[in-house]
Amino acid sequence: GEDVEQSLFLSVREGDSSVINCTYTDSSSTYLYWYKQEPGAGLQLLTYIFSNMDMKQDQRLTVLLNKKDKHLSLRIADTQTGDSAIYFCAERRSSNTGKLIFGQGTTLQVKP
Amino acid sequence: KAGVTQTPRYLIKTRGQQVTLSCSPISGHRSVSWYQQTPGQGLQFLFEYFSETQRNKGNFPGRFSGRQFSNSRSEMNVSTLELGDSALYLCASSLEGQGTDTQYFGPGTRLTVL
Repeated sequence: GEDVEQSLFLSVREGDSSVINCTYTDSSSTYLYWYKQEPGAGLQLLTYIFSNMDMKQDQRLTVLLNKKDKHLSLRIADTQTGDSAIYFCAERRSSNTGKLIFGQGTTLQVKP
Repeated sequence: KAGVTQTPRYLIKTRGQQVTLSCSPISGHRSVSWYQQTPGQGLQFLFEYFSETQRNKGNFPGRFSGRQFSNSRSEMNVSTLELGDSALYLCASSLEGQGTDTQYFGPGTRLTVL
């Protein structure tokens, strides 16, 4: 099917690490993305990983990809209140199209 | 470099009317994709344009259409509006929508159908 699955809600304390999980269905997915959406705004690209990689680190963000289990995770270190938002994972199944398949989004709540 | 711009930002229409939304991609980007975001269905792909040609289409009725101009600007049109068309419509651009390209999103147009 087309589904990309994410848990709907995550609550953490400021300063803790957050881990947002995502599972996808198509083993031929070429690129996987994480986007952030704040209230009333569009989608902000956070990071991406190619399917031939297992891990990518970008400042406070770490992306882990387990191709065998079709599992993607986003770890945010030292989570801040400004990180409160909805996080979407998305997959691109073909290298010849811009079409993205999105998960339903995980709402991250960061408590002071 | 300016980001993706969408106009208008907010729109209120009544059932049966039609609407046109506009998207200006990042300078140099030739691929434009449109998405519909609703609380119930999430983010769903509408269509993608590249070099004035529709390259991909999602599972939406024919009331949803789009086009792309020679300067890569894109418009989408929804005819005979229904209440269920109320949504945030997002446009995204990328260089060519291929290979290692990443997509950058605009702020969206919030359409309310009464």
